[in-house]
Amino acid sequence: GEEVAQTPKHLVRGEGQKAKLYCAPIKGHSYVFWYQQVLKNEFKFLISFQNENVFDETGMPKERFSAKCLPNSPCSLEIQATKLEDSAVYFCASSVTANTEAFFGQGTRLTVV
Amino acid sequence: GESVGLHLPTLSVQEGDNSIINCAYSNSASDYFIWYKQESGKGPQFIIDIRSNMDKRQGQRVTVLLNKTVKHLSLQIAATQPGDSAVYFCAENRGGGFKTIFGAGTRLFVKA
Repeated sequence: GEEVAQTPKHLVRGEGQKAKLYCAPIKGHSYVFWYQQVLKNEFKFLISFQNENVFDETGMPKERFSAKCLPNSPCSLEIQATKLEDSAVYFCASSVTANTEAFFGQGTRLTVV
Repeated sequence: GESVGLHLPTLSVQEGDNSIINCAYSNSASDYFIWYKQESGKGPQFIIDIRSNMDKRQGQRVTVLLNKTVKHLSLQIAATQPGDSAVYFCAENRGGGFKTIFGAGTRLFVKA
């Protein structure tokens, strides 16, 4: 597609439930990035992929967060046993190469209650 | 620690005036810098970028200046319009580019 598509737009989960977010990068883009934005403040980097390979996951709280980018499937970000502090907008971005313009999706707003 | 940050959290300008949004970075190894605009409820939108081998780059109504000596980045918006009201983020890409680090953002208000 011509834009990064993120689904769902909104997601509400009870504390302790699982949340799964999806991202379809722009066709032809090899790099995918996930960011977390809390209260419209700065973006926290979570993880980056080149195709299906993880390149940098230094921002991921590994005990509960996981992500995948499998061939012919949307990328996904999964949070096991959500906590209140996971409430945020999660953005996905894609780019052609590692250090060129990244195009962002519209985000998924996760609310943990 | 290393960070990309903005000097002012908010900036208010009169319509038609020029706007200047500033950003400081601390990692001299960063080689690619980007300005993004984020409107309410939307994802960041690319405005302009610059690489470390340049000190100035111009786009349509926007100019980015890079001063590597003092590790400073600025975004200039000419003839600011109401549609320019948004939060502006500077970001740096740190050698290798597998992640882009964002600053805290500056909210720009344009007064009619």
